[in-house]
Amino acid sequence: NAGVTQTPKFQVLKTGQSMTLQCAQDMNHEYMSWYRQDPGMGLRLIHYSVGAGITDQGEVPNGYNVSRSTTEDFPLRLLSAAPSQTSVYFCASSYEPATNEKLFFGSGTQLSVL
Amino acid sequence: EDKVVQSPLSLVVHEGDTVTLNCSYEVTNFRSLLWYKQEKKAPTFLFMLTSSGIEKKSGRLSSILDKKELSSILNITATQTGDSAIYLCAHSGSARQLTFGSGTQLTVLP
Repeated sequence: NAGVTQTPKFQVLKTGQSMTLQCAQDMNHEYMSWYRQDPGMGLRLIHYSVGAGITDQGEVPNGYNVSRSTTEDFPLRLLSAAPSQTSVYFCASSYEPATNEKLFFGSGTQLSVL
Repeated sequence: EDKVVQSPLSLVVHEGDTVTLNCSYEVTNFRSLLWYKQEKKAPTFLFMLTSSGIEKKSGRLSSILDKKELSSILNITATQTGDSAIYLCAHSGSARQLTFGSGTQLTVLP
């Protein structure tokens, strides 16, 4: 049971670089999302998708792009990395697209931007 | 703007103790209140409480929703070192977004 798979687990970037965080799920979930977790601030929603071809912004979308070409994959792109994007990123999916409750989380990506 | 506040921020107890974690919320449209446990990395789902299900129990863990007081508690009895984790509370509103609190860091000492 793979569940939600994120790659890479760790990444160090220089300011201005771009990169893509990968997320894949094998549970046929329609709903997928990206969160960032910062100390003392809990999890904040970046972008989400309720199905292939459909994406929407969350609470903190600036500086990030997403696409959803298949049900399984939901990559997160950092366009021009900034130190403020240093964080732990989680991808999550749910089989309840109407409510996105009962999320299944990936193991996270620790990103440092220098 | 929806808001979820958890207390305490951190808690240190000894094995066998009982703990109560608190979660209060300010939301425009209540749908459900969720609890997650985060150990080393990925949060894992514990409970979901709704208007039709205000109390849930699983082994030594239980949770109650108080819609009048806009709050929820998570109780853990006979704590074990394996209960050490960050416990996250989240609200699911009408905007298909979960709003998370900042979490309570629980440390259980042997």
